[in-house]
Amino acid sequence: QSGLTQPPSASGTPGQRVTISCSGGSSNIGTNNVNWYQQFPGTAPKLLIYNDNQRPLGVPDRFSGSNSGTSASLAIRGLQSEDEADYYCSTWDDSLNGWVFGGGTTLTVL
Amino acid sequence: EVQLVESGGVVVQPGGSLRLSCAGSGFTFDDYAFHWVRQAPGKGLEWISQISWDGGSTYYADSVKGRFTISRDNSKNSLYLQMNSLRPEDTALYYCAKDKSGDGYLYFDHWGQGTLVTVSS
Repeated sequence: QSGLTQPPSASGTPGQRVTISCSGGSSNIGTNNVNWYQQFPGTAPKLLIYNDNQRPLGVPDRFSGSNSGTSASLAIRGLQSEDEADYYCSTWDDSLNGWVFGGGTTLTVL
Repeated sequence: EVQLVESGGVVVQPGGSLRLSCAGSGFTFDDYAFHWVRQAPGKGLEWISQISWDGGSTYYADSVKGRFTISRDNSKNSLYLQMNSLRPEDTALYYCAKDKSGDGYLYFDHWGQGTLVTVSS
């Protein structure tokens, strides 16, 4: 099952803006909405962004998402130490008839 | 409050079978599709299966197709994953996740805490 491509790591200092990319293809990101999940060590993933750029209730507006062509990105502005976590993109793949995830990006706040 | 509680994870020998369960509460269970997602130790998330609100539509990842079967019992607010012909590479924390829709094509809006399956001799 081919997945989406994310950088394995990202980092920034408090207050900075960080972006995490998610690359796919015409059968997944190019056709369907992208969702993002946040996972802290030892805990279950949590929905962070849905339908490319929508935030669930309770998610700070520091987090935003975008989708362009066959790539998507997650942006975090005003980085805070509590944002240190793993971030995963995901979408439906029309060719595979299944969901695909990116490999995950570990965000470090320096 | 939405709650999803997985159970059934144990240590099992290669070639063995296991059934995982996921009990849902705090919402109308039969309105929604569900997924199983796993995470091998130190690795990323891997979607493995989904089932529609009525059980009429199911999908599987290639890695488990023909070996795993997803099912649900709406009268018991429960989701299941029957796992056969288990391999060491199936070792993972298995999460159940609720979809926002009834057919399973939107997003995973709630997750359980996971149940650990270890395949080892």
